[in-house]
Amino acid sequence: EDQVTQSPEALRLQEGESSSLNCSYTVSGLRGLFWYRQDPGKGPEFLFTLYSAGEEKEKERLKATLTKKESFLHITAPKPEDSATYLCAASGGYQKVTFGTGTKLQVIP
Amino acid sequence: EAGVTQFPSHSVIEKGQTVTLRCDPISGHDNLYWYRRVMGKEIKFLLHFVKESKQDESGMPNNRFLAERTGGTYSTLKVQPAELEDSGVYFCASSLYGLAGGADTQYFGPGTRLTVL
Repeated sequence: EDQVTQSPEALRLQEGESSSLNCSYTVSGLRGLFWYRQDPGKGPEFLFTLYSAGEEKEKERLKATLTKKESFLHITAPKPEDSATYLCAASGGYQKVTFGTGTKLQVIP
Repeated sequence: EAGVTQFPSHSVIEKGQTVTLRCDPISGHDNLYWYRRVMGKEIKFLLHFVKESKQDESGMPNNRFLAERTGGTYSTLKVQPAELEDSGVYFCASSLYGLAGGADTQYFGPGTRLTVL
């Protein structure tokens, strides 16, 4: 069965303190690895799709990377507005997506 | 461009009652998905429509759940009769291509929070 595990469950950073979120996946025949951001009371907001090991994508202070077993979301010099829950998800089959439980990030001014 | 919309945003019902959730996908998206997140757990897949046809309904918990997508546009998810364990947030997502073997990006709606008392 496909599985996605995220760590840590929660992360508290000072503004400007860079860090990384981890997503480990066990998915048969990975088609794509997704990162979403979710704010309280809202739906997941798409950030990145990664398709193959070695691929990297960037958006503002966020950078996502992918290996054969893990994906990392690097946050450089975070700001309070980056506070949210970050979700990792993987697609191993015909559009069926498996989600992790998320990392709740809090950035303190 | 309008995103995925869901109605209602919240619903509180009693055990045994019926509730119908609605999802309007992004215009032009043939692929529509339903997901559910129960308290403290991850978002879980329920089913996938391609236009009006059910492509994969392997995540539907039981026969109290009925999803429809008339005319390949909006979709409804009916729970009848509702049980306590059906409480959670129901998300709808849509995608453009949904090709077999692909990893088409899914765009999510804001969700419907269902509380069964």
